[in-house]
Amino acid sequence: GIQVEQSPPDLILQEGANSTLRCNFSDSVNNLQWFHQNPWGQLINLFYIPSGTKQNGRLSATTVATERYSLLYISSSQTTDSGVYFCARSEKLVFGKGTKLTVNP
Amino acid sequence: EPEVTQTPSHQVTQMGQEVILRCVPISNHLYFYWYRQILGQKVEFLVSFYNNEISEKSEIFDDQFSVERPDGSNFTLKIRSTKLEDSAMYFCASRTLSKGIIYGYTFGSGTRLTVV
Repeated sequence: GIQVEQSPPDLILQEGANSTLRCNFSDSVNNLQWFHQNPWGQLINLFYIPSGTKQNGRLSATTVATERYSLLYISSSQTTDSGVYFCARSEKLVFGKGTKLTVNP
Repeated sequence: EPEVTQTPSHQVTQMGQEVILRCVPISNHLYFYWYRQILGQKVEFLVSFYNNEISEKSEIFDDQFSVERPDGSNFTLKIRSTKLEDSAMYFCASRTLSKGIIYGYTFGSGTRLTVV
């Protein structure tokens, strides 16, 4: 089946730092999304990005479908960025295990 | 921005009882989904629903589960006889396809089901 691997599994940052989260996937199905799960468990859609680059404020994402990976960039991190970041792939969304991000003040 | 609405946000039920989790997808969306997340684990696909029928379901979605779109706006997940291992956060999601463009999923805030 489709495999989605995320790295790193855990990341601790000081407020203001930048970070890059990575998602590798095993297939070439044309669908990828990034989500942020906040401490209350809500899944917030960040990007729908099957290919190319998108930016939204301090966040941006790039997917290189031919090389089967996607990157999520967080710049000038804030404590409210803490939570778990998931990427998900394929038409029925196969999720990775997530990257748990902790941003300390 | 349009939202997917789920109710209740938290439900506690006794083992063996039936529960119905409710979702109101975005009004012009055509595809509907249920996912679940056991505490500390990955989000897992349960079922997809299109054109008033199930289009795909996972191994988790056994005979104890059913879905329904009773009135054109609500989308429900029923668990007939809950087990302890059904305790999880259940997410509803919807998406649409318009003029050949597939749009991304929008998730609801989830229902945390606790079976005791």
